[in-house]
Amino acid sequence: DQQVKQNSPSLSVQEGRISILNCDYTNSMFDYFLWYKKYPAEGPTFLISISSIKDKNEDGRFTVFLNKSAKHLSLHIVPSQPGDSAVYFCAARSGGSNYKLTFGKGTLLTVNP
Amino acid sequence: DSGVTQTPKHLITATGQRVTLRCSPRSGDLSVYWYQQSLDQGLQFLIQYYNGEERAKGNILERFSAQQFPDLHSELNLSSLELGDSALYFCASSDGRSTATDTQYFGPGTRLTVL
Repeated sequence: DQQVKQNSPSLSVQEGRISILNCDYTNSMFDYFLWYKKYPAEGPTFLISISSIKDKNEDGRFTVFLNKSAKHLSLHIVPSQPGDSAVYFCAARSGGSNYKLTFGKGTLLTVNP
Repeated sequence: DSGVTQTPKHLITATGQRVTLRCSPRSGDLSVYWYQQSLDQGLQFLIQYYNGEERAKGNILERFSAQQFPDLHSELNLSSLELGDSALYFCASSDGRSTATDTQYFGPGTRLTVL
């Protein structure tokens, strides 16, 4: 039972354009969502997060949108740069004292020069 | 650099053996988490410790155990190793004191190969 789904295994965009990575979830108890970026042979790097009480959070070139009614979130990267090429993981956390993260399987983003 | 350190970086061992993976959290963080990433799976939560006490458990096998020491570093012990235990093992840490926006920061991982 996959509670966090990233349905696109890969995405390719041109440098300077927008990258949109999508994530769907099924557990309505999730109250905090995070995006991580991962390069090969490295650990996941925290990018940006959003609480369920918000619908948008922005940090520089990265914006995360949350649509609770659709149980959908997306990460927008504008403008995309070749250094953004990596695997992006969506993660979600339930409320209460359980801090564990449930991860999607990731989307490989390739930004072409 | 996330501030989370893990040793060793690589580990090659044989089936039936026992290994210990070590993690040092970021300065000031009280929570430590262990995750497993296999080839065909995403990151799977194994176990969480907070200030020395076990707080949450995921799909951790009985052959696996962990602990967090008074200096807050943590060890993950894997015993009676099987070929299927070959994976990347990540440690993450977080402040742990606030539920609202607790963010986990990951170490570089330990790649375990069981032959």
